[in-house]
Parts: sequence; structure tokens; C-alpha cells
Amino acid sequence: DAKTTQPNSMESNEEEPVHLPCNHSTISGTDYIHWYRQLPSQGPEYVIHGLTSNVNNRMASLAIAEDRKSSTLILHRATLRDAAVYYCILRDGKSNSGYALNFGKGTSLLVTP
Amino acid sequence: KAGVTQTPRYLIKTRGQQVTLSCSPISGHRSVSWYQQTPGQGLQFLFEYFSETQRNKGNFPGRFSGRQFSNSRSEMNVSTLELGDSALYLCASSLGGSGNQPQHFGDGTRLSIL
Repeated sequence: DAKTTQPNSMESNEEEPVHLPCNHSTISGTDYIHWYRQLPSQGPEYVIHGLTSNVNNRMASLAIAEDRKSSTLILHRATLRDAAVYYCILRDGKSNSGYALNFGKGTSLLVTP
Repeated sequence: KAGVTQTPRYLIKTRGQQVTLSCSPISGHRSVSWYQQTPGQGLQFLFEYFSETQRNKGNFPGRFSGRQFSNSRSEMNVSTLELGDSALYLCASSLGGSGNQPQHFGDGTRLSIL
């Protein structure tokens, strides 16, 4: 799988928007961009994924650069419950390629009241 | 809809013993993956099963093994336990097929080796 680069940590104020960046300059045409997060004492939680177009769901938005070499996870209004480690992961979308997520170090998000 | 269920939640073993961990995937999911999480190495992929066959394998010694049953439930086994096997073991399931489908994780089994 292609590699991603994320900042080690970020800090945000509660109820402010948060933009978590991810660089993936070696992304291939069939790679999907997945985001997961892990809250303390829990397993990772799927957040969102996309291929080329921006994506929105109830948890977050995913903005993908036109050249697909970078993406940004957007939390529109951070809450204290959003404090977690956020992982940006590329997954080959070809069928039957199997599943083996490469989590990396992720970005530790601190949310302050 | 029930999520991924892992049992037991906590386990204490001694060096040299073996252990079996269990995972029940989300109903209808045919792919089950296992991961090991430690403070030093982070989250590392162990193996993935799809329709009772191991489809992918991470870089772990042969002491780590797994299997999947016809109902998609999965077990992983670690033999001859070492102190370094102390970790959180996570199971994840997905519908299967291509990598554009998300994985859904359980809350893990925390294994402590004395």
C-alpha cells in the first residue's frame, strides 16, 4: 500500500472546525482514501472514505485534492468526544485485493473546552 | 445491528501457555481481520480470512495462527506465549471483496502475559 504522512498531533477548541491533513503523494489510481479514528480504550472506528470526489457523512467531511496527492478530514464542530487518534489509510480498491490496513502513527487530536 | 464482538475482553496468561481469542463479525460480513496493538509498534496487521480461507498475512511468527468457520466467526491462536505478546488484539470485519469497503472493529481482547 502507498504511504501516508500525517502530523503527529493537533489541538482544537471545542465547537470549532478541525481540519486534519494527510499527504499521500504516491497514491495510485485505484487507491481509496480511508479515515479511521481510535478513541481511548476502544477499537478503531471507521469515519469516512472516498476515491476522487469530496464526501460527506454524519460524522465528517473528506476533501480530496484534485491531483489526489493530499486529503483533509474535516470535523465541522469539534466536541470533547472527538479527542482521538485519527488515521489516514490508503486501500487498493481492486476487487479481491483483501484487507490489511496499514495504520501508521496517525494524528492525535486534543480538544480543549 | 450488532457490532463486532470479541471474547474475552481481558485475559491473563503465563509464558509458554497458549491462548485462543474469539471474534464474531457483523452479520453478513465475510471478511475478518486481526490486528495487534502495542504502545511501541502501534496497530499491526496479523491476518485476514475470507470465506474460511486466509487471504492475507502480516509479518508475524508462525506461533500466531487463525481460522474462520462457515458462519464467518473467527478465532486466533497464539502458542508458546512470550512476554512481548502482551497487547490489545483487535478483530475487524467487512463485507469482503474490494478494499473500498470499510472495516468495523470490535473493542479488542487485552492479553497480559506474566
